[in-house]
Amino acid sequence: DIVMTQTPLSSPVTLGQPASISCRSSQSLVHSDGNTYLSWLQQRPGQPPRLLIYQISNRFSGVPDRFSGSGAGTDFTLKISRVEAEDVGVYYCMQSTQLPLTFGGGTKVEIK
Amino acid sequence: QVQLVESGGGVVQPGGSLRLSCAASGFTFTTYGMNWVRQAPGKGLEWVAFVKYDGTTKYYADSVKGRFAISRDNSKNTAYLQMNSLRAEDTSLYYCAGSTSRKFDYWGQGVLVTVSS
Repeated sequence: DIVMTQTPLSSPVTLGQPASISCRSSQSLVHSDGNTYLSWLQQRPGQPPRLLIYQISNRFSGVPDRFSGSGAGTDFTLKISRVEAEDVGVYYCMQSTQLPLTFGGGTKVEIK
Repeated sequence: QVQLVESGGGVVQPGGSLRLSCAASGFTFTTYGMNWVRQAPGKGLEWVAFVKYDGTTKYYADSVKGRFAISRDNSKNTAYLQMNSLRAEDTSLYYCAGSTSRKFDYWGQGVLVTVSS
């Protein structure tokens, strides 16, 4: 199974400041079709997960442009350019390149 | 608007069975794969099972293989998860999620399954 490791576990951020979350996979997420199936999900308190980013850097419909994704191979990053109060929650990376699909352990973003 | 509504959860004894349902609306159900993802209390996300848009292909996590069965009825826009031989470690909030092109576009609110004697 592909292990997804996220850092940090927790990220206290000042409103309006940037935040960055890293995700590392135990093996390359490049699929045989040439695509890299790495997604980022946001889970606000008491809510289901919500898709933010897919295939490393593509924002899903309705996702604000302050969210961006980057990376390649085994190392990926989610950045929030200016954190807003509604961004509080847990962020998960997820790989869907290989079965079983696996998630990172989550990074909690909170306001300082 | 898009809705995925799970039902069928509850409290069940170890070794018991439950059948979860996920009713979809607001998108073309027949073009989406459907997944079940669970989240134990205070824990992270675990993918459980997938069924292809036409029901022909199914995949399972090793932790549930042989005990759980995913299915769908495209005439009712509904996906199901039959859970047998339930264990305490299956206690979780179960989400259904619609996927296309290997991304999980839509998520339900979740349904709680508690396995306890």
